[in-house]
Amino acid sequence: DGGITQSPKYLFRKEGQNVTLSCEQNLNHDAMYWYRQDPGQGLRLIYYSQIVNDFQKGDIAEGYSVSREKKESFPLTVTSAQKNPTAFYLCASSIGAALYYGYTFGSGTRLTVV
Amino acid sequence: AQTVTQSQPEMSVQEAETVTLSCTYDTSESDYYLFWYKQPPSRQMILVIRQEAYKQQNATENRFSVNFQKAAKSFSLKISDSQLGDAAMYFCAYRGDTGNQFYFGTGTSLTVIP
Repeated sequence: DGGITQSPKYLFRKEGQNVTLSCEQNLNHDAMYWYRQDPGQGLRLIYYSQIVNDFQKGDIAEGYSVSREKKESFPLTVTSAQKNPTAFYLCASSIGAALYYGYTFGSGTRLTVV
Repeated sequence: AQTVTQSQPEMSVQEAETVTLSCTYDTSESDYYLFWYKQPPSRQMILVIRQEAYKQQNATENRFSVNFQKAAKSFSLKISDSQLGDAAMYFCAYRGDTGNQFYFGTGTSLTVIP
């Protein structure tokens, strides 16, 4: 079955470390997104990519980096510059930019700073 | 920027009863879609229903329906014959024609009482 796979499900990071969250899709979707979810704040956009080798910053990109070397993959790196990285991270994809298309979401990664 | 507001952080409903979740949005765009997503305890986001701004008829998906009031910029979700499996966080989302991203509300946590 097609879908989005996020790994790991739980991730622990020590202060000062960079960590990378994986997001892979086999839906042949062009666009991919990373969102951060915090209690009471809904989902906030970190980065998105509409095509391979191109990506744009979202509302809260500081302290994060991404790459899009393959259509299927859109990894997110949480750098040591991110002051408060503990959160739930959701990856999503969309078949295109047409308004009708909703997102397909992965099952998320819970990142905790220890 | 577009904003989406969900003013009810928590709601509860008796099993088999009907509940309405509120959502308002602010935009100057002429064409857009509105969505309701469900996030159960598994945290997997699931598309519940979508509504195109140009359509006057309210969308319906089985027990889920919307009340779309374009002039008032209101997009409420009605759940009829509530079931225990409806317990989840519900997010209202907006996608417009001048951007590629979705804008999410802060969510409403729905409890279904047996």
